[in-house]
Amino acid sequence: EAQVTQNPRYLITVTGKKLTVTCSQNMNHEYMSWYRQDPGLGLRQIYYSMNVEVTDKGDVPEGYKVSRKEKRNFPLILESPSPNQTSLYFCASSLRRGGYEQYFGPGTRLTVT
Amino acid sequence: GDSVTQMEGPVTLSEEAFLTINCTYTATGYPSLFWYVQYPGEGLQLLLKATKADDKGSNKGFEATYRKETTSFHLEKGSVQVSDSAVYFCALSDNAGGTSYGKLTFGQGTILTVHP
Repeated sequence: EAQVTQNPRYLITVTGKKLTVTCSQNMNHEYMSWYRQDPGLGLRQIYYSMNVEVTDKGDVPEGYKVSRKEKRNFPLILESPSPNQTSLYFCASSLRRGGYEQYFGPGTRLTVT
Repeated sequence: GDSVTQMEGPVTLSEEAFLTINCTYTATGYPSLFWYVQYPGEGLQLLLKATKADDKGSNKGFEATYRKETTSFHLEKGSVQVSDSAVYFCALSDNAGGTSYGKLTFGQGTILTVHP
């Protein structure tokens, strides 16, 4: 089954404790993105990757890191989480950059206390 | 920069009512337009899309027409069901090149609740 998976689905952590949210897709897609969803703001892009070893900042990259060592995986790293990073996070992938359908993972709800 | 504006929600309807969710956009060039739907506890999934002016996207009884003259992509359904209760997002993908090429820009989302 074609899908994007994320782990964990729920995470509660404390300020400053490094964490990683994993994302994996099995569709051989080149383009992958991370978004955060906040009430009244829709989804905003954090980082994106056009292919292996090619990543770039989206609209709200501060406080986040990413890597793309393999085509299927695109982890999101919070080196020192803060309460303003409490949000719902989605990973997405598409065949290529451009007007292609993006496939979304189920989301990770992160709470930073 | 690119932006998408959706009608304020939430929207509450009775089953079999007509649905319209307004969406207007600002973009350079000729973006692709999308409606995504998010059911409770799930990720977003594509509902329909249109890639050029006057295109009509349709799926599951929902329709939206790409109107370049009014920069709009309003979502409509003639008869909603309880199972249509979800959050609906209008989005555009910039095809003009540059650093924002291919990025999805979303509206704020509209919560739809349909009562029996």
